[in-house]
Amino acid sequence: KQEVTQIPAALSVPEGENLVLNCSFTDSAIYNLQWFRQDPGKGLTSLLLIQSSQREQTSGRLNASLDKSSGRSTLYIAASQPGDSATYLCAVNWTGNQFYFGTGTSLTVIP
Amino acid sequence: GAVVSQHPSRVICKSGTSVKIECRSLDFQATTMFWYRQFPKQSLMLMATSNEGSKATYEQGVEKDKFLINHASLTLSTLTVTSAHPEDSSFYICSARNRDRALGEQYFGPGTRLTVT
Repeated sequence: KQEVTQIPAALSVPEGENLVLNCSFTDSAIYNLQWFRQDPGKGLTSLLLIQSSQREQTSGRLNASLDKSSGRSTLYIAASQPGDSATYLCAVNWTGNQFYFGTGTSLTVIP
Repeated sequence: GAVVSQHPSRVICKSGTSVKIECRSLDFQATTMFWYRQFPKQSLMLMATSNEGSKATYEQGVEKDKFLINHASLTLSTLTVTSAHPEDSSFYICSARNRDRALGEQYFGPGTRLTVT
């Protein structure tokens, strides 16, 4: 069964701190993996997409890594800001069709 | 960049009525669109896959007669929630796959929040 797990479910950090969000998935034969941000009551904002052949992707203060052999991906956020507070979702695509989503990590950055 | 829109963004309806949600790809053609549902404090779950010109494929446990999907053109898919009930209240999000790009490259709409009273 294809499942995506995110730990922790919630995380609270002081402003300026670097942090790592974790995502694990069953079955390493993925097509790609995507990290999203979701603000309360809002839709999804795509942050980073990692193809199966890639090891990491970077955008600004965000860096996502992919280790297929261990079934893990991490999202690294550098120098966190209060505006980074949101729920971060990891989603895995195994076939090129639907995405399977984790339950998310709710991040709060304290000023 | 690729844009997917949804209309309406928010809708409140009375129990027993039907609601139609539109998903449009604005600058690309999508032979396949996906409809997801998100209940409060839960993750997104796929409801159905919408294919242009053919019948939608529904996930197990999703009633096809209740959630009618029509994908009549390469830029529009609609989800109609028929005889809506309070338990159908949820956040509905669509994604569209660009037919001219690689598989797995999808763009998500902003979502529609449905509240059934």
